[in-house]
Amino acid sequence: ETGVTQTPRHLVMGMTNKKSLKCEQHLGHNAMYWYKQSAKKPLELMFVYSLEERVENNSVPSRFSPECPNSSHLFLHLHTLQPEDSALYLCASSQGGTGVIQETQYFGPGTRLLVL
Amino acid sequence: AQKVTQAQTEISVVEKEDVTLDCVYETRDTTYYLFWYKQPPSGELVFLIRRNSFDEQNEISGRYSWNFQKSTSSFNFTITASQVVDSAVYFCALSEVRGTGFQKLVFGTGTRLLVSP
Repeated sequence: ETGVTQTPRHLVMGMTNKKSLKCEQHLGHNAMYWYKQSAKKPLELMFVYSLEERVENNSVPSRFSPECPNSSHLFLHLHTLQPEDSALYLCASSQGGTGVIQETQYFGPGTRLLVL
Repeated sequence: AQKVTQAQTEISVVEKEDVTLDCVYETRDTTYYLFWYKQPPSGELVFLIRRNSFDEQNEISGRYSWNFQKSTSSFNFTITASQVVDSAVYFCALSEVRGTGFQKLVFGTGTRLLVSP
């Protein structure tokens, strides 16, 4: 059983396409995160939403656009991506809302994205 | 700045061998948390353990054990009697203090563990 789900699991898109990644958490958490995992690089934090408000945008290009309509759902809208954006995109959630450092983040299975 | 170093890129062992994955961290905070995650081929990061900076007791959970040494800024992970199912990438992470309502994890680059039959 997984508390964080992501769809689709795999996505191939051209540079002119528009697509969206979806994340849903069933843990009653208040914070949700998008990470990018490229080969041979540490996980990169992209965006953080706490209580449905974006609290971090880690210098991510505007071709990535997050959306958090409620505390259970998080989207990442993609448009005019580049081949170097090919990566595993991971969503995570944590209790959130208070900024405490002892929270544990729980991750989804990721969306493996290939940009042609 | 916070930093986590996992110097071992890849480790290969034969089933039933013991293996230790190293993690060294840098922080100026006196209060911090350390984590280990496992990433199997399916991609999902699976939470294994969380340890706070004030608790230096070693922890054991089945075949897994963790050795936290503040003096050397290390938080090493040992798998006893490894199994093929332990094959995965293992990440160590450090929690930063943030005042903006969320937690930020700093991850190491991961250690790929290959356990062969």
